[in-house]
Amino acid sequence: QKEVEQNSGPLSVPEGAIASLNCTYSDRGSQSFFWYRQYSGKSPELIMSIYSNGDKEDGRFTAQLNKASQYVSLLIRDSQPSDSATYLCARVPYNQGGKLIFGQGTELSVKP
Amino acid sequence: DTGVSQDPRHKITKRGQNVTFRCDPISEHNRLYWYRQTLGQGPEFLTYFQNEAQLEKSRLLSDRFSAERPKGSFSTLEIQRTEQGDSAMYLCASSFGNHEQYFGPGTRLTVT
Repeated sequence: QKEVEQNSGPLSVPEGAIASLNCTYSDRGSQSFFWYRQYSGKSPELIMSIYSNGDKEDGRFTAQLNKASQYVSLLIRDSQPSDSATYLCARVPYNQGGKLIFGQGTELSVKP
Repeated sequence: DTGVSQDPRHKITKRGQNVTFRCDPISEHNRLYWYRQTLGQGPEFLTYFQNEAQLEKSRLLSDRFSAERPKGSFSTLEIQRTEQGDSAMYLCASSFGNHEQYFGPGTRLTVT
């Protein structure tokens, strides 16, 4: 089992819709979770961090964490064509110096 | 805050040559991380520094790879005797402690 699993996609949604990106992980000791956005040929850009169970909202983005189910998700409301990118889920294992362990990413395409 | 910078942005080298990449972190960040990313995959952790101390190296980091952060500021990653399998995007990220990591633009290495 991969340490962090994401649906590779592509996920296609119409402009204005809600995009839902999901991530599961195998290590119950993980403490911190992050969502990065990566445009083609560019480096990852931090969108959200979440550390405790529940929802965290920032503008059009909402991250949801459920540690009991080992599940983290990212919702993008009012999706825009500029949101088309690969979204990377990452976790930081407990007591391992802060290194990020990434999933393979989910490609999102927002159609005008 | 000028962000994380990396140099060069692109490097084409012949198999067997040595290459060196540089990373300048965000100035107040004490941690610096190196990752490698190949097409269609999430970044993979290589090594990290806290100040000038190299605290962890991945098993991915063969003895052909070496990294330094001599004064706790910029870092270099050297690859000796490059192989075609070393072709990838090399990403540097920095953070303050266990907080969020911010990535530089990356160095794309092509080994011919």
